[in-house]
Amino acid sequence: SQTIHQWPATLVQPVGSPLSLECTVEGTSNPNLYWYRQAAGRGLQLLFYSIGIDQISSEVPQNLSASRPQDRQFILSSKKLLLSDSGFYLCAWSVQLYTGELFFGEGSRLTVL
Amino acid sequence: AQKVTQAQTEISVVEKEDVTLDCVYETRDTTYYLFWYKQPPSGELVFLIRRNSFDEQNEISGRYSWNFQKSTSSFNFTITASQVVDSAVYFCAPDRSALTFGKGTMLLVSP
Repeated sequence: SQTIHQWPATLVQPVGSPLSLECTVEGTSNPNLYWYRQAAGRGLQLLFYSIGIDQISSEVPQNLSASRPQDRQFILSSKKLLLSDSGFYLCAWSVQLYTGELFFGEGSRLTVL
Repeated sequence: AQKVTQAQTEISVVEKEDVTLDCVYETRDTTYYLFWYKQPPSGELVFLIRRNSFDEQNEISGRYSWNFQKSTSSFNFTITASQVVDSAVYFCAPDRSALTFGKGTMLLVSP
């Protein structure tokens, strides 16, 4: 069966520090991968998605970046965090890009102080 | 579908009550998909259902049921005999629109 894991679960970082959130999927090949952010208002905003290795699409311009160095690994990074980067980050995968159901990781709660 | 609207921001019910969560969508496509997801307090979103626009049959899964009506562009979700464990934020989501979800509907079921 397929599983998805992301870490760390909780992170408290000072403004200006770097960020790295990692997500891995097991039990499937060539998944579509996604990073979402959920701010206090509860809506989920798509940040990045990837259809393959080194193929990243950005939905919202910001100081975050994503990379996919391996088929089932998706990394969310920042060189310098802002206060506004605080939120709940969710990684997800799907078989089909637009029409497939999404399977989410446990989430990573980031607090930038 | 390009956009969905969940007009109910919060719903509070008492255990064993039935509750319906509304979802209205907009689309220019003839073929599309709609989804429902559940986000319990733990935070991890859980897929509930995917519905193809060709299939207008109502879906029932245990205490959950979905009413898909193309004539009114609605895809409503009903929980029968609600339980405290049903407390969560529920998202109705389109298959396009940059795969972005709205704010969902927060359901609070009290004992």
